[in-house]
Amino acid sequence: EVQLVESGGGLVQPGGSLRLSCAASGFTFSRYSMNWVRQVPGKGLEWVSYISGRSSGDINYANSVKGRFTISRDNAKNSLYLQMNSLRAEDTAVYYCARNYYYDTPGSDYWGQGTLVTVSS
Amino acid sequence: EIVLTQSPATMSLSPGERATLSCRASQSVSSYLAWYQQKPGQAPRLLIYDASNRATGIPARFSGSGSGTDFTLTISSLEPEDFAVYYCQQRSNWPYMYTFGQGTKVEIK
Repeated sequence: EVQLVESGGGLVQPGGSLRLSCAASGFTFSRYSMNWVRQVPGKGLEWVSYISGRSSGDINYANSVKGRFTISRDNAKNSLYLQMNSLRAEDTAVYYCARNYYYDTPGSDYWGQGTLVTVSS
Repeated sequence: EIVLTQSPATMSLSPGERATLSCRASQSVSSYLAWYQQKPGQAPRLLIYDASNRATGIPARFSGSGSGTDFTLTISSLEPEDFAVYYCQQRSNWPYMYTFGQGTKVEIK
């Protein structure tokens, strides 16, 4: 059974840092590109970042987080990460990790349960 | 940056009716478009990828069409469990950006 389990969310002050993790199981992790997607409760979905299957793979970010967030993966540990620095109130959201269904075409077929990040003083 | 605009924002329909949801891109995305369904408190569920391909386990009443800038998700006959919010998502050429539309809520009339 495919599972994605996020962790690392919580309350952090503006300007602070947080590292999210996503533990993957039930599939060959290195064969899939992955994304982080966030959602303010009650609002729409916002794509955050993408990483290809290779550990040193292709990466990109939404303009809203570029220069502050860093995505990475450890295929040996079946894990995806999101290092978030210089956090702002507008980064408050539920953060999901999601697996791309078919290579790099849009469409994520498995999602984690989400982890809530709250940026507030 | 490519912007996706979904319309309408909300549609009120009865079970058994046909739902037609629109997603328009600010520039061509070829067929790099997906559709999702999301219910309150749940993660999104992939319905359609590559504009017209149903994901695994998705009922045949869901269909996607379009290419370039104009895309449509059709639900042929609404079931009670289909009342939810629907999002489209595109992928730009490299460097990839996977932006979402703002969503369409399908509510019970």
